[in-house]
Amino acid sequence: GEDVEQSLFLSVREGDSSVINCTYTDSSSTYLYWYKQEPGAGLQLLTYIFSNMDMKQDQRLTVLLNKKDKHLSLRIADTQTGDSAIYFCAASRRDSNYQLIWGAGTKLIIKP
Amino acid sequence: DAGVIQSPRHEVTEMGQEVTLRCKPISGHNSLFWYRQTMMRGLELLIYFNNNVPIDDSGMPEDRFSAKMPNASFSTLKIQPSEPRDSAVYFCASSLVGGRLETQYFGPGTRLLVL
Repeated sequence: GEDVEQSLFLSVREGDSSVINCTYTDSSSTYLYWYKQEPGAGLQLLTYIFSNMDMKQDQRLTVLLNKKDKHLSLRIADTQTGDSAIYFCAASRRDSNYQLIWGAGTKLIIKP
Repeated sequence: DAGVIQSPRHEVTEMGQEVTLRCKPISGHNSLFWYRQTMMRGLELLIYFNNNVPIDDSGMPEDRFSAKMPNASFSTLKIQPSEPRDSAVYFCASSLVGGRLETQYFGPGTRLLVL
């Protein structure tokens, strides 16, 4: 069935770049999303990429999409302590753009 | 805009009691989602409404769970009777289906603990 996979943890030093990876199975997914969940809070849309794009940059965030390999990554430049959170990758389903397939989330741990 | 509003933010109840969670979606949005988040199972979609009509409730765990959306600005998720395994964070999200980008906007969640 349709699936989105992410590693559960990533540890980086403050000031370094963080790269969070995600793979998905549904090649017909139109939109791919990154959501951020801070402790005790709901999920917040961080960024998204349309499936016909290879890259999207937004300030410290860079999203790369390799559609052939069905691989999505989120790069956070100059990682700060405020970036500590769980990052969820989500892909729209083939039969509906409004129902998403969610990854398990990657917990980003920042080391001083 | 106030965003998606959920109440209560925290709920502690005893096994067997009825629990009602409430959600007010973003004004103008036509779709509403109820999710459950646990450490073991991650984020699970329970039910999805479009224009107040339940479209997909295949994620509702069992008959103890029910959801309603009587109008475009209000939805409830009810658990009766509640069990300890229902302890989780329940999120409501809304979106505008048919728009250019059908992004889901999440509420802050209700943290439910069933003793």
